[in-house]
Amino acid sequence: GESVGLHLPTLSVQEGDNSIINCAYSNSASDYFIWYKQESGKGPQFIIDIRSNMDKRQGQRVTVLLNKTVKHLSLQIAATQPGDSAVYFCAERSQGAGGTSYGKLTFGQGTILTVHP
Amino acid sequence: DSGVTQTPKHLITATGQRVTLRCSPRSGDLSVYWYQQSLDQGLQFLIQYYNGEERAKGNILERFSAQQFPDLHSELNLSSLELGDSALYFCASSVADGGGPPKTDTQYFGPGTRLTVL
Repeated sequence: GESVGLHLPTLSVQEGDNSIINCAYSNSASDYFIWYKQESGKGPQFIIDIRSNMDKRQGQRVTVLLNKTVKHLSLQIAATQPGDSAVYFCAERSQGAGGTSYGKLTFGQGTILTVHP
Repeated sequence: DSGVTQTPKHLITATGQRVTLRCSPRSGDLSVYWYQQSLDQGLQFLIQYYNGEERAKGNILERFSAQQFPDLHSELNLSSLELGDSALYFCASSVADGGGPPKTDTQYFGPGTRLTVL
């Protein structure tokens, strides 16, 4: 069949605004979640992570919220800057039967964040 | 800079050919992971090696294989290349085997190899 490129969600904000990027994950057995930032021409860069036994974790200018009831993850970026412009991916780690999945991460489709000066 | 290195940065080849992508993990990391990023499939896990042994496998094609050497660097071999294999290939590394606490299992990604099959 014909391949169709992914149509990524986009978020456009003004410099200094707060940004919220959302992600729905698929596996209720996932025990660990990570947010990555990918700038054009570069590899994914680790931002922040959270374990399934937590519902909130804060870093420098970033906060991750986890709602296991609805399998939803969000990344909040405070005082967004032009350098934050990138594609943001959430990833989940699911432990398979007998722990066979190990480090396999399943990535979301990504969200394009554009910050206007 | 994550500390993970990948070579080459770009690779252009023809259908039916075979290529090898190389990855050196961060110093001290024992696990290496390979991912494929394409426009229509996003980031997909291919395979993981831990201390020389295969640890987890994703939807890796039979035409693809990988190994991790005693010095912990890894190679991803892609053979009988097809147009659809054109993609970015990323390597990531972590301290431990990926199934434990996040502190030792955070995956750090390299800059990638862009493969173009003509």
